[in-house]
Order: sequence, then structure tokens, then C-alpha cells
Amino acid sequence: KAGVTQTPRYLIKTRGQQVTLSCSPISGHRSVSWYQQTPGQGLQFLFEYFSETQRNKGNFPGRFSGRQFSNSRSEMNVSTLELGDSALYLCASSLVGSYNEQFFGPGTRLTVL
Amino acid sequence: KQEVTQIPAALSVPEGENLVLNCSFTDSAIYNLQWFRQDPGKGLTSLLLIQSSQREQTSGRLNASLDKSSGRSTLYIAASQPGDSATYLCAVWMDSSYKLIFGSGTRLLVRP
Repeated sequence: KAGVTQTPRYLIKTRGQQVTLSCSPISGHRSVSWYQQTPGQGLQFLFEYFSETQRNKGNFPGRFSGRQFSNSRSEMNVSTLELGDSALYLCASSLVGSYNEQFFGPGTRLTVL
Repeated sequence: KQEVTQIPAALSVPEGENLVLNCSFTDSAIYNLQWFRQDPGKGLTSLLLIQSSQREQTSGRLNASLDKSSGRSTLYIAASQPGDSATYLCAVWMDSSYKLIFGSGTRLLVRP
């Protein structure tokens, strides 16, 4: 069974631009979560989707948004990029989200110049 | 507010040694706890998942225990190998929160 895939793996953007990251969950998984990882703040929760509905959102500004499609694939968008948005963005999938084992993708490394 | 702490932040041991990594959490109302491994610049690999009703889980040379009442979990690695070198993260899942809360990790180096 294929694991969680994320595209692209690396991105370089400049301040003020916007970016869209994609996550394809493990087949059959309906919950997708997004996390931001930085050396200073560690792993922080962005949002979680199940059946195209956002069930929870972390403490991030409105510039961070996401969505989930009917095939459970998810995208996250960051608008008006800032230098501090440079991070590893990780996507996790699980069967139904609640209580299930979470499986993470390889991440997208975003660098904002 | 749930806080997850991992001690030590870094650990260096010679190959073959048995070792214990610690994870503590402030709110015992967790639903489960998951241990992960992360290699530099990579994603997270799930190692073990312990449900709140369980006391321990084992996979190969790894054994994780959970004591909800004291807010502690340990990850025991037997006969460590250089390939075990990585950052180990624990994370708890709170009931109805739909998210994992992570500790800051323990960076492990196993010297040949």
C-alpha cells in the first residue's frame, strides 16, 4: 500500500507570493491533517479535514487555509508569504482521524526569501 | 492546556546499549499516545501507538509504556544500533481535539 505522498518536496518562494501544497493520503484514509515544523517552534498543528470538512484549526493566521477533496486528497494554501513561513510542512493521514494511528508524509520544505 | 515534554533533549550512547526515552504530559485525559522517529530533513515514521486503556506496546527492539495517572510514557530501545540514530518524538491525542500535540523530541546518537 502506498504511503502518504506530498508534492512538491521543495519550494522556494519570495515574500508576498502565495503557495499551494498538496497531500495524497493512504488509500482508504479519510482524515488528513497538516503540521508546520520549525526549529524554534517544533511541530504545530495547522488543521484537520475529514470528508471535506474542517474539524479543527490551529492558531495560525488566516493566510493559512486548506481544503479537502472528495477523493480525500488535501491542499493547503499560504498567501502573502512571510520569511517566518519557511518550514517543513507535514501532512498526516489516518482512517477516521479520531484515535487512529497517524501516518506522515515526507513533507514539503518551503523556503521564503 | 496540554503540554508534552521530552527529556533528555539529546542523548549519545555507544552501540549495544539499552536506553530509555522519556515523555511526560500535563493532562492525563488523553485518548492515545504515539511515538515517532524522524531522520534529518525527513517526515515522521510511526513507531508505536498506545491506546489509553493499554499499558504497553512492543515492536521488535522497541517497547513503549504508558502510565496515564502519572502522565508519563517511556520508549525503551534494546541493543541500540547506529541506525537508530534519529530524533524521537512523542505525541498525544486529546479526546475530540482532532490533533496530535507533540513534544520537542529527543535527539539520539548511537556511536559505533
